[in-house]
Amino acid sequence: ETGVTQTPRHLVMGMTNKKSLKCEQHLGHNAMYWYKQSAKKPLELMFVYNFKEQTENNSVPSRFSPECPNSSHLFLHLHTLQPEDSALYLCASSQRVTGTGVSNVLTFGAGSRLTVL
Amino acid sequence: GQQVMQIPQYQHVQEGEDFTTYCNSSTTLSNIQWYKQRPGGHPVFLIQLVKSGEVKKQKRLTFQFGEAKKNSSLHITATQTTDVGTYFCAGLSNSGYALNFGKGTSLLVTP
Repeated sequence: ETGVTQTPRHLVMGMTNKKSLKCEQHLGHNAMYWYKQSAKKPLELMFVYNFKEQTENNSVPSRFSPECPNSSHLFLHLHTLQPEDSALYLCASSQRVTGTGVSNVLTFGAGSRLTVL
Repeated sequence: GQQVMQIPQYQHVQEGEDFTTYCNSSTTLSNIQWYKQRPGGHPVFLIQLVKSGEVKKQKRLTFQFGEAKKNSSLHITATQTTDVGTYFCAGLSNSGYALNFGKGTSLLVTP
């Protein structure tokens, strides 16, 4: 157990479905992240939230919609996905993110394995 | 944008042989982090390097940060089967708010 919990661990959905991935961290961190991991692009940054505010959206298609209601919870809402969106979605957290050039260590969850049919 | 490149992509060694993976950035990095991901697992933090020319050791693992802070390396001495996995380096994105990861080097160690 890393202190970052992701649910569900596995998800199979059709292209017309709407589903959500959930991430919860128990580390007292203030920054949370979504990364996508696939064979073609390992560990691709999607979104960053710092103190609940989105600080980075890495040109992610609108069919992925993040939500961060508080510093401990992060969601990724999925709708009308494509088969090429099948991947491992990793949530991570860190103490905080600063713009001064010193990043913080990431603690990753175990990931949600998504298959889009 | 800031790119972090890693080589080699794959490495297969016999147990007991040494292993090195290299990380290169197109821009100067404020710091660099290394992570290890076991097969079927998630990335786990190994170390962070901050200073130019810095060298850190963790048992059989030696990490170096280049003088120009644009490259880094991870060297494993006398590999063991427990070293199997993918090793990622990561540097800050242009926004300074998140890490961008290299594509990783997958290490396979056969006994």
